[in-house]
Amino acid sequence: GIQVEQSPPDLILQEGANSTLRCNFSDSVNNLQWFHQNPWGQLINLFYIPSGTKQNGRLSATTVATERYSLLYISSSQTTDSGVYFCAVERSETSGSRLTFGEGTQLTVNP
Amino acid sequence: DVKVTQSSRYLVKRTGEKVFLECVQDMDHENMFWYRQDPGLGLRLIYFSYDVKMKEKGDIPEGYSVSREKKERFSLILESASTNQTSMYLCASTRVRLFGPQHFGDGTRLSIL
Repeated sequence: GIQVEQSPPDLILQEGANSTLRCNFSDSVNNLQWFHQNPWGQLINLFYIPSGTKQNGRLSATTVATERYSLLYISSSQTTDSGVYFCAVERSETSGSRLTFGEGTQLTVNP
Repeated sequence: DVKVTQSSRYLVKRTGEKVFLECVQDMDHENMFWYRQDPGLGLRLIYFSYDVKMKEKGDIPEGYSVSREKKERFSLILESASTNQTSMYLCASTRVRLFGPQHFGDGTRLSIL
């Protein structure tokens, strides 16, 4: 099956800093999503981005499908950004949003 | 906003019990999913469903079954709970059959004693 690698595994920032999280995948995909899991365990969908660039406030994401990677940018980080960021992908055209998740990047933003 | 509601945030059961975890979505979504999340193992798909009364096995279906009698509700059943099923269980849904953003419930932390 498809492999998903996220880097870095851990990241510690001071409030106000910027960061870039990376997701590499081993095959072409039809579906790529970024999620944030907060310290209470809630998983929030940040972006559905199989290709191109999207922005939502201080967060933006870019997927370069031909080179099999995606980047999540966090600008002016806040303590509420802390948690685990997951990238998830799907290759199949028939299985209907059956995602394979990476292992995540644990982000800690200190005040 | 999409709302995916899981019936319990925390649940404690005993070995051998039959356990039901309920999930309801309010946006007429086609697809629904059950995952479990364990430290070091990430999120793993247990079962999913494309439509009422339809179900497909995910990566780790052993020891579980599911039921989808109504479009908005997807139940996960532990037929005879065991301690290795202690985990965080997450339900999710997507609007369309093929692709689209996946929305999660708040999760159920299940402990089997």
